[in-house]
Amino acid sequence: AQTVTQSQPEMSVQEAETVTLSCTYDTSESDYYLFWYKQPPSRQMILVIRQEAYKQQNATENRFSVNFQKAAKSFSLKISDSQLGDAAMYFCATNSGYALNFGKGTSLLVTP
Amino acid sequence: NAGVTQTPKFQVLKTGQSMTLQCAQDMNHEYMSWYRQDPGMGLRLIHYSVGAGITDQGEVPNGYNVSRSTTEDFPLRLLSAAPSQTSVYFCASSKPGLAGRTGELFFGEGSRLTVL
Repeated sequence: AQTVTQSQPEMSVQEAETVTLSCTYDTSESDYYLFWYKQPPSRQMILVIRQEAYKQQNATENRFSVNFQKAAKSFSLKISDSQLGDAAMYFCATNSGYALNFGKGTSLLVTP
Repeated sequence: NAGVTQTPKFQVLKTGQSMTLQCAQDMNHEYMSWYRQDPGMGLRLIHYSVGAGITDQGEVPNGYNVSRSTTEDFPLRLLSAAPSQTSVYFCASSKPGLAGRTGELFFGEGSRLTVL
């Protein structure tokens, strides 16, 4: 079975600073996607960023970028210039067949 | 477009009662799935469907039934509610991606269920 591990249950960052959330995964597939989802207190699941495993270039979306290390099966999320609105649960996921396999999440606190 | 619509958003049940969580999507997505979210556990897959008439079990299927009579609808039925089924439930839909595996999931707003 595929597993996704987020080793940091909680992280804290000051406004305007940079924070990196860790994710490792296990898969036997050669082609797959990796995702980071954000869940604010509203409970809505919001896609932050997506990475195709066959692409060597790391995905970037505005202040969010990933460090994708395929051999190490690592997929960390970097948030630059953190804002109060970034406070949320962040989930790492990989596609496992016809659904996604999620990590347990990292709760990000942003302090003024 | 409404995207993925889940109802109800909140529900309180007594042990042994049955209920159905409704899920509908208007994006013509082939794949649909149900997850439950519990504190410290992330999202765990209950059931999924790859098209009308085709469903399969996920990681935690016990106590739940699904059916997919149309592309749009994918209801989740709790047959005899138990306190262990107290959770937040998410319905999601997606299109096939690489090698037919799922691409990005589009989520409903979630349904908070409490079983007393």
